[in-house]
Amino acid sequence: AQSVAQPEDQVNVAEGNPLTVKCTYSVSGNPYLFWYVQYPNRGLQFLLKYITGDNLVKGSYGFEAEFNKSQTSFHLKKPSALVSDSALYFCAVSPVGGSARQLTFGSGTQLTVLP
Amino acid sequence: DGGITQSPKYLFRKEGQNVTLSCEQNLNHDAMYWYRQDPGQGLRLIYYSQIVNDFQKGDIAEGYSVSREKKESFPLTVTSAQKNPTAFYLCASLGGANQPQHFGDGTRLSIL
Repeated sequence: AQSVAQPEDQVNVAEGNPLTVKCTYSVSGNPYLFWYVQYPNRGLQFLLKYITGDNLVKGSYGFEAEFNKSQTSFHLKKPSALVSDSALYFCAVSPVGGSARQLTFGSGTQLTVLP
Repeated sequence: DGGITQSPKYLFRKEGQNVTLSCEQNLNHDAMYWYRQDPGQGLRLIYYSQIVNDFQKGDIAEGYSVSREKKESFPLTVTSAQKNPTAFYLCASLGGANQPQHFGDGTRLSIL
């Protein structure tokens, strides 16, 4: 069975500082990895994905994530945080070739960027 | 614009009542999904469908039912057997194996 851990329920960072939201995963075989963002009372918006290739993935709104196979991690990063980045962030994993591409989600990390 | 439309945005259920949540997509995606979101628990899969007239149970299907009579539509019924239905329900669709799931804006269901 696959699983995702987001060890921090809440991350606070000052505007302009770099941010990191952590994610580790467990899956049989190679993973598909995704990051989504959710604003209050809205659906999830796709930020970026890792399928194969370069371990550093660049996505929307200046976000990037680094795939580390040995540490089974896929941490989300941004060099300079904006107040508008404040939202709930979800990491998700699916095994390559998995049935119907079922995603398993982490429990989410609430990011607050302080002005 | 292509996307997923969920309706209604807010829904209230009386004791013993079945309610149906609508999900429509115009993305021409084959696969569709229903998730339940509770605070601090992330998203849990209720049902999914890979093709018209076929669907499978997810991790928490008890007390829910679905149908997939058209490619564009995947309604979810929350039955009276679901004793704790208060949650935020999200519908998603998927166009291809390497693609991300696309999400609607959700329906918030509460008990009267």
